[in-house]
Amino acid sequence: GEDVEQSLFLSVREGDSSVINCTYTDSSSTYLYWYKQEPGAGLQLLTYIFSNMDMKQDQRLTVLLNKKDKHLSLRIADTQTGDSAIYFCASKGGSQGNLIFGKGTKLSVKP
Amino acid sequence: DAGVIQSPRHEVTEMGQEVTLRCKPISGHDYLFWYRQTMMRGLELLIYFNNNVPIDDSGMPEDRFSAKMPNASFSTLKIQPSEPRDSAVYFCASSLGGDTDTQYFGPGTRLTVL
Repeated sequence: GEDVEQSLFLSVREGDSSVINCTYTDSSSTYLYWYKQEPGAGLQLLTYIFSNMDMKQDQRLTVLLNKKDKHLSLRIADTQTGDSAIYFCASKGGSQGNLIFGKGTKLSVKP
Repeated sequence: DAGVIQSPRHEVTEMGQEVTLRCKPISGHDYLFWYRQTMMRGLELLIYFNNNVPIDDSGMPEDRFSAKMPNASFSTLKIQPSEPRDSAVYFCASSLGGDTDTQYFGPGTRLTVL
């Protein structure tokens, strides 16, 4: 079935850039998403990218999509301690209305 | 809009008791999702509805779990009888559907079964 994979942990120093990677299997995915989950809270949509785009930038966030390799990345520039959270990659699944989520990458930012 | 509303936020119960979790989706959203999150298994989709009709319940772990959506503004997830391994955070999410299918999550219900 459709699957989304991401590494489980990433640790960076404050001020550095963070890059969180994700791979997906469904080549028909039209939209790909990044969600952020802070401790004790629900998932919050950060950004999404349409599959005909290679890149999308929103302030400190840059999303890169390599559709050929089915690879998605999220770059956070000038990472702050407030960016510490779990980041989920998701693809729009084949079933209408459903999203396929990865297991999440826990980002730890050290001062 | 108030966003997706879930109640209760925390629930502690004893094994064998019935537990009912509640969700109010964002007004106008056609899709409603129930997820379970644990350290071991991550985020799991349990069931989702479109226009109050269950579309995919293949994620429901067993017959002890049931979900209903009697109208567009309310859904319940019931566990009867509850077991310690059901302890998790349960999230409800809703979406408008359409092209992007962006889901909006509630704050979750933290369930502890003793």
